[in-house]
Amino acid sequence: AQTVTQSQPEMSVQEAETVTLSCTYDTSENNYYLFWYKQPPSRQMILVIRQEAYKQQNATENRFSVNFQKAAKSFSLKISDSQLGDTAMYFCAFMKHGAGSYQLTFGKGTKLSVIP
Amino acid sequence: DVKVTQSSRYLVKRTGEKVFLECVQDMDHENMFWYRQDPGLGLRLIYFSYDVKMKEKGDIPEGYSVSREKKERFSLILESASTNQTSMYLCASSSFPGGAGQPQHFGDGTRLSIL
Repeated sequence: AQTVTQSQPEMSVQEAETVTLSCTYDTSENNYYLFWYKQPPSRQMILVIRQEAYKQQNATENRFSVNFQKAAKSFSLKISDSQLGDTAMYFCAFMKHGAGSYQLTFGKGTKLSVIP
Repeated sequence: DVKVTQSSRYLVKRTGEKVFLECVQDMDHENMFWYRQDPGLGLRLIYFSYDVKMKEKGDIPEGYSVSREKKERFSLILESASTNQTSMYLCASSSFPGGAGQPQHFGDGTRLSIL
C-alpha cells in the first residue's frame, strides 16, 4: 500500500515571497503519478500540477513548480510570487500506473496562508 | 470545463435516517469517486465506480453504499446515519482508462451534519 506524508500541517508566507510545501511518499512501484491539489476556503478542489514518475523533468505551471526526487521519494511544491489567492489547503496525492488502477492516495494536507 | 455537481452544499440529518448524496458530472467520464474529508485526516476514499452498475470499495466503505444506474450520476447512501458520519463529502470524476494518470475533477462538496 502507498502512503503520502505532508509533514507541515500549516504554513504561512508573505505576499510576493516564495514558499515550498513538502511531500514524501512510500511505494514499491516504479511507474506512478504524483499530483498537487489546491482547495481554497469553501471552494472546489482543483488540480495544481501533475508529474509522471518516468519523466525526470520537473513539472511547472506558471508560478507553481515541483522538485521531484524519485530516489528520495520526495515531491515538493514551490509557489513563487505568492498571491492572496494562493491561500488554501494543499494536498499531495499519488496514483499507481497501470490498468485497473484508479485510486488516488492523499496526504493529510498543508494549510497555507498568504499574508498581505 | 468539467463540471461535477453535488446536489447539496449543506445537509442536516438525524441519527438513523437513510441519507442520499447525489453527484452528477457532465463530461461523460467513466470513473466516479466518493471521498470523505476530515480535518487532519485528508481525503479518504469511500467507494468508486469505473462503469455503470460497477462499484469497488475504497478504504472506508463501512456504513456506506453507492449506486450508479446512469453514467453521469453516482449516489452515496448512508443506510442508517450515525454521528460519526458527520463530515465533508467530496465527489470526483475522471476519464477512462484508470492508471494512466488522469486527474480527478471534484465537486464543491457536501457538508453533512448528523444530529
